[in-house]
Amino acid sequence: QQQVKQSPQSLIVQKGGISIINCAYENTAFDYFPWYQQFPGKGPALLIAIRPDVSEKKEGRFTISFNKSAKQFSLHIMDSQPGDSATYFCAASMIPGGKLIFGQGTELSVKP
Amino acid sequence: NAGVMQNPRHLVRRRGQEARLRCSPMKGHSHVYWYRQLPEEGLKFMVYLQKENIIDESGMPKERFSAEFPKEGPSILRIQQVVRGDSAAYFCASSEQGMETQYFGPGTRLLVL
Repeated sequence: QQQVKQSPQSLIVQKGGISIINCAYENTAFDYFPWYQQFPGKGPALLIAIRPDVSEKKEGRFTISFNKSAKQFSLHIMDSQPGDSATYFCAASMIPGGKLIFGQGTELSVKP
Repeated sequence: NAGVMQNPRHLVRRRGQEARLRCSPMKGHSHVYWYRQLPEEGLKFMVYLQKENIIDESGMPKERFSAEFPKEGPSILRIQQVVRGDSAAYFCASSEQGMETQYFGPGTRLLVL
């Protein structure tokens, strides 16, 4: 019930392509869904986040799509760049102040 | 504005020794979270603290691990009698009162020999 399942585990995309990472959750009490980006040897950095009352949120090249009925959400990276190569984690929590439950991570590699 | 600070960045301990990891939250943040990242795995919640209070320790191992966030000074994650399985990256995150966004520090990479 507390799990967040993330796929794929790894992803290779050509420069300029669209990267898509998917997550699914079980606990309907979750009401905050952030995505974090992590470079090797660094801490996770918040990329974008969404609440379940919104079906889509866009910030620059990054978009979250949220499907409440399916209990799924996804991250789309448009015009992917080599600098986007990193590990991406989805997460879920019950706000306010709730612990984050993380997905297993997706290692993205964008080829020039 | 300084972000979340953690020290040391790297820590090497021999089996049976104690490890102390420190975390200074962002200015104005009164909530601290500790997460552990094992090699090739995602981040796992350990403990959530406010000043002088442990709010949620559901992810903490029952033995050898403890955490505190005193009125003054950084939050401390303490691991007694370390074992090789404790080797991991330990991340601290902080947030403001009533806000959901958690900001992560650079982590402490613990290696147990």
